[in-house]
Amino acid sequence: QQQVKQSPQSLIVQKGGIPIINCAYENTAFDYFPWYQQFPGKGPALLIAIRPDVSEKKEGRFTISFNKSAKQFSLHIMDSQPGDSATYFCAAAGPQGGSEKLVFGKGTKLTVNP
Amino acid sequence: DGGITQSPKYLFRKEGQNVTLSCEQNLNHDAMYWYRQDPGQGLRLIYYSQIVNDFQKGDIAEGYSVSREKKESFPLTVTSAQKNPTAFYLCASSIVKGGHEQYFGPGTRLTVT
Repeated sequence: QQQVKQSPQSLIVQKGGIPIINCAYENTAFDYFPWYQQFPGKGPALLIAIRPDVSEKKEGRFTISFNKSAKQFSLHIMDSQPGDSATYFCAAAGPQGGSEKLVFGKGTKLTVNP
Repeated sequence: DGGITQSPKYLFRKEGQNVTLSCEQNLNHDAMYWYRQDPGQGLRLIYYSQIVNDFQKGDIAEGYSVSREKKESFPLTVTSAQKNPTAFYLCASSIVKGGHEQYFGPGTRLTVT
């Protein structure tokens, strides 16, 4: 119940394409869904996050779509650029005995070709 | 400059030796976390602490120990009991009440031979 399943494991797109990364969860108590971007050898950086009261959130070229009934959320990257090549992690958090633990997906390695 | 620092960036140890990884934050965050990252495994929680002098085991605590004597500092010791210690270790911090946003340090790559 604590898992977050992320797909695909890897993704290759051409510059300007719209990569989509999907995540699914089971725990209906989750109330916070962030996405992190990680470049090789660096720590993950918070990219964008959503809460279940909205179905979509956009920040620049990055959009989260959230489907509460399906218990799924996804990241779309508009007009992707080679500089977006990185590993992306989805995560989820919610009331867990008072802690603020995040449960992470296993990551998607995105390559954007010039 | 506010943030999380981890040192050193690269660490090499011989098998059977304990090693301590440093994590310091000046964000005035209450909570701190240690994760281990292996290729294809995502981030797995080792230990976390929400308040000074208190900490809880995460999903893979065996072979690790922590302390939280100061709000700013959360060192992780990888003991000789950890069967497969070679990995990328990430420290994070967050506020406790009202949010889940975790901010990560740059990581320490530990190699044990």
